[in-house]
Amino acid sequence: EVKLLQSGAEVKKPGESLKISCKGSGYNFTKYWIGWVRQMPGKGLEWMGIIDPEDSDTRYSLSFQGQVTISVDESITTAYLQWDSLRASDTAIYYCARGGQQIVNEAFDIWGQGTMVTVSS
Amino acid sequence: QSVLTQPPSASGIPGQTVTISCSGGSSDIGSNYVCWYQQLPGTAPKLLIYRNNQRPSGVPARFSGSKAGTSASLAISGLRSEDEAEYFCATWDGRGGVFGGGTKLTVL
Repeated sequence: EVKLLQSGAEVKKPGESLKISCKGSGYNFTKYWIGWVRQMPGKGLEWMGIIDPEDSDTRYSLSFQGQVTISVDESITTAYLQWDSLRASDTAIYYCARGGQQIVNEAFDIWGQGTMVTVSS
Repeated sequence: QSVLTQPPSASGIPGQTVTISCSGGSSDIGSNYVCWYQQLPGTAPKLLIYRNNQRPSGVPARFSGSKAGTSASLAISGLRSEDEAEYFCATWDGRGGVFGGGTKLTVL
């Protein structure tokens, strides 16, 4: 079964750093792009960025460029989303999702369960 | 404010056909495939339609997608109570992905 398993919920203070993970299984991890999507409380979906696990080619939305870092460790079939300094406005559910097979602009066909990040003093 | 425009809400009675629209521009919908996601309350989104009108295996034929120019539509026929969810369109704009603001579908 193809799955993306995300790390658990996090509660952090403003200014703290954070790295959340997304582990792929049941498929050839390096052949499919992995994307990240934000959903703020009660709001819609926002496309953050996407990475090719084969060569770490990464594309960011202008809204998230410089605000987060997307990375991957293909040896453990895991993608990451990290912040150096969190803000209260980063409070949201973050989803990872599998994209196209070596095609960057394909739909996300498999989604992780989501990671809730709460940033509060 | 989303790049793609969807009506915030839609409704229908069981058995009816409901259509949800998604409007964009020449650089996004006009130049790329459109896909649709269903998000049931408290769950992760699920892919319903990809490449404008293709259904992944397991998605009922009641769900269909279309695209014309810079707009796309999702039609749900034979509406059921379990279709009550939020629906998002999405496409690419040359730099990255973009989502519509979402349409909350109520089954009356």
